[in-house]
Amino acid sequence: KAGVTQTPRYLIKTRGQQVTLSCSPISGHRSVSWYQQTPGQGLQFLFEYFSETQRNKGNFPGRFSGRQFSNSRSEMNVSTLELGDSALYLCASSYTTGTYEQYFGPGTRLTVT
Amino acid sequence: QQPVQSPQAVILREGEDAVINCSSSKALYSVHWYRQKHGEAPVFLMILLKGGEQKGHEKISASFNEKKQQSSLYLTASQLSYSGTYFCGTSSNNNDMRFGAGTRLTVKP
Repeated sequence: KAGVTQTPRYLIKTRGQQVTLSCSPISGHRSVSWYQQTPGQGLQFLFEYFSETQRNKGNFPGRFSGRQFSNSRSEMNVSTLELGDSALYLCASSYTTGTYEQYFGPGTRLTVT
Repeated sequence: QQPVQSPQAVILREGEDAVINCSSSKALYSVHWYRQKHGEAPVFLMILLKGGEQKGHEKISASFNEKKQQSSLYLTASQLSYSGTYFCGTSSNNNDMRFGAGTRLTVKP
């Protein structure tokens, strides 16, 4: 079974631009969560989508948004990029929402200059 | 509310044991443990649920004290492959997940 895939793997943007990241979950998984990882901060929860609906949202500004499609693929968008948005963005899929193990993708490394 | 992990880092020799702790200020429904090796994605190790159920790898041992809102991960007879950063994730309502800052484990020969 193919794992979670994320595209692109690396991205360089300048301040003020916007960016869209994509995540394809494991086949059959309907829940997708997004995390921001920076050195020393661990995994910061962004949001979770299940059946095309946002189930939960972390403490991030409105510049961070996401959506999920009917095939469970998910995208996240960051508008008006700031230097502090430079991070590894990980998505994780699970069979359903709730207490299930999550399977992480390799991440997208975003650098904002 | 982000759970607190301790210690932040630990260095072991092969064959030694280690305990990684995770605590929360909120009542917990579940605790999840993941390991991330450098440059790789986090990998699932174990889930501990309120009520005592556990799901995870056979060689991983962990405990969950519901009253104290704490969990501990036990790594016994450590091997070089155990090196990595261990994250605990907590859920207070079977819905949201919050991860700790991680514990960096280094196992030396």
